[in-house]
Amino acid sequence: KAGVTQTPRYLIKTRGQQVTLSCSPISGHRSVSWYQQTPGQGLQFLFEYFSETQRNKGNFPGRFSGRQFSNSRSEMNVSTLELGDSALYLCASSLEGTAYEQYFGPGTRLTVT
Amino acid sequence: DQQVKQNSPSLSVQEGRISILNCDYTNSMFDYFLWYKKYPAEGPTFLISISSIKDKNEDGRFTVFLNKSAKHLSLHIVPSQPGDSAVYFCAGLELCIQEQGGADGLTFGKGTHLIIQP
Repeated sequence: KAGVTQTPRYLIKTRGQQVTLSCSPISGHRSVSWYQQTPGQGLQFLFEYFSETQRNKGNFPGRFSGRQFSNSRSEMNVSTLELGDSALYLCASSLEGTAYEQYFGPGTRLTVT
Repeated sequence: DQQVKQNSPSLSVQEGRISILNCDYTNSMFDYFLWYKKYPAEGPTFLISISSIKDKNEDGRFTVFLNKSAKHLSLHIVPSQPGDSAVYFCAGLELCIQEQGGADGLTFGKGTHLIIQP
């Protein structure tokens, strides 16, 4: 069974630009969660999608948004990029949203210059 | 407010000895605690979990201990092997949030970098 895939793996953007990251969950998984990892803040929850609906959102500004498609693939968008958005963005999928059965992708390393 | 704290950013242990990774939490509503392991350039991998109603869970070389009164948990790795060198994250989970249609409720600590020395 293929794991969680994220594209692209690495990205360099300029302040003020926007970026879209993609996540393909494990086949059959309906829940996709997004996390941001930085050295200073560690792993922080961004939001979770289940059956194309955002179920909850972490404590991030509205510049961070996402969506989920009918095939459970998910995209995350960050608009008006700031230097502080430089981070590793991780996507995790699970069957029904059961957190202790989450499977993480390798992440997308975003660098904002 | 950091609900899950891993106060040791790094830990160095000799191969074959016991590694003890510690985690403190402030949220008494956590129903489960989980440990994830992360290698560079890879996503975290689930390692072991423990229910808040238990005080110990064991899986092979890995044992997690929970002290609810002290709001403290620890992960023991015995014996430590070179492949255990990684960053270990402790996380708390509130099931009630999930059942209300909320998020997975996972709250992570900042991680401890475990280095196993030969």
